[in-house]
Amino acid sequence: DIQMTQSPSSLSASVGDRVTITCRATQDITNSLAWFQQKPGQAPRSLIHAASTLHSGVPSRFSGSGSGTDFTLSISSLQPEDFATYYCQQYRSYPYTFGQGTRLDIK
Amino acid sequence: QVQLQESGPGLVKPSETLSLTCTVSGGSLTDYYWSWIRQSPGRGLEWIGYVYYSGYTNYNPSLKDRVTISRDMTKNQFSLKLTSVTAADTAMYYCAREKRFYESSSYHDAFDLWGQGTMVTVS
Repeated sequence: DIQMTQSPSSLSASVGDRVTITCRATQDITNSLAWFQQKPGQAPRSLIHAASTLHSGVPSRFSGSGSGTDFTLSISSLQPEDFATYYCQQYRSYPYTFGQGTRLDIK
Repeated sequence: QVQLQESGPGLVKPSETLSLTCTVSGGSLTDYYWSWIRQSPGRGLEWIGYVYYSGYTNYNPSLKDRVTISRDMTKNQFSLKLTSVTAADTAMYYCAREKRFYESSSYHDAFDLWGQGTMVTVS
């Protein structure tokens, strides 16, 4: 199985900050990578697929980049509703696998 | 607007079978892959498997011997059965849709919609 490792595991930031989360795969997954946002008590919300393509309705302050084994999710200007846990997921090969999550909270 | 809703028992006894159903409203099963994913503090997010609308299935090898995912086109539902459950199967279970996104000369099958989840405790 392809293992996905996110860093950092947790992050504190303020409204208006720019933050970046990293996701690394144990083997080349080209750009078959997705990002999800999850708030407490809610289901994950799909944000990005193909490493950098935003899903419909996702604010443009979110962006993704990377290919191969190293990927990033950036939020350009944090809004109060962005404080949540973020997960990456590879869909290059089965079984699909997820990162362990990065918790983003308010400083 | 397409919505997914999980249903099923919240409590299952050890060694018994966990059975869940996902009802798709506002849309059809046709042309999509339909997955079950679970989440627990110890295992994080774990993909269980999917059923394509044609009936084709694909399972996580770690669960393959115990899992069956099926669909009912007439009811617009798909279901999960997990046999011989133990406490390790205690988790929040989500159903999700996988959509094909076309990107220039290639395509990506990625999750775009999730159900709200249902908690299953094995005890």
